[in-house]
Amino acid sequence: QVQLQESGPGLVKPSGTLSLTCAVSGGSISSSNYWSWVRQPPGKGLEWIGEIYHSGSTNYNPSLKSRVTMSVDKSKNQFSLTLSSVTATDTAFYYCARGKYSSNWFDSWGQGTLVTVSS
Amino acid sequence: QSVLTQPPSVSGAPGQRVTISCTGSSSNIGAGYDVHWYQQLPGTAPKLLIYVNSNRPSGVPDRFSASKSGTSASLAITGLQAEDEADYYCQSYDSSLSGVAFGGGTKLTVL
Repeated sequence: QVQLQESGPGLVKPSGTLSLTCAVSGGSISSSNYWSWVRQPPGKGLEWIGEIYHSGSTNYNPSLKSRVTMSVDKSKNQFSLTLSSVTATDTAFYYCARGKYSSNWFDSWGQGTLVTVSS
Repeated sequence: QSVLTQPPSVSGAPGQRVTISCTGSSSNIGAGYDVHWYQQLPGTAPKLLIYVNSNRPSGVPDRFSASKSGTSASLAITGLQAEDEADYYCQSYDSSLSGVAFGGGTKLTVL
């Protein structure tokens, strides 16, 4: 049973860069799955940020594309998210998730981590 | 503004049946893209409930079922239990977004 665990700073200053990592255990990041980030502002709905394949191929939400970068570290079996030029509207719970296929359903999720953008 | 529209809330008494709708358009559900459903219990991560329109992952009770028709999909929960109180989200692919789209979520209250 694959498990995902997010980690990273819980507080980021406005105009700064948010950086999170998702560690994958119980399975290989080089398997035929897609690895995604999804966020949820407190009390609001889910928003897909983007996905990455172990080859490094990415697909980002157009609304965030100019600020998002995702990468994979096969040696550590983890993948990462960076979101630049953050504002208070980027305050949210950030979840990493495993997608069975590109832009398809997510069958495993991390527990989520709250990132607050504030000075 | 979600491209998939869900009612903000639904409610039902224990033992009853409730349905949650997910209305899309010709760029997502109506284009033939599959619909998936998630359950999010308070303070937890979403959990896959239904995939590819009507399939239940192992461990999901058969009280949960779903269907898709035209530009809409629906999730049905029968024999409502207190533990079903949660937020429910539909998800599909949207060609105009070129990516994943979620519904706005529906809060289920068990009376």
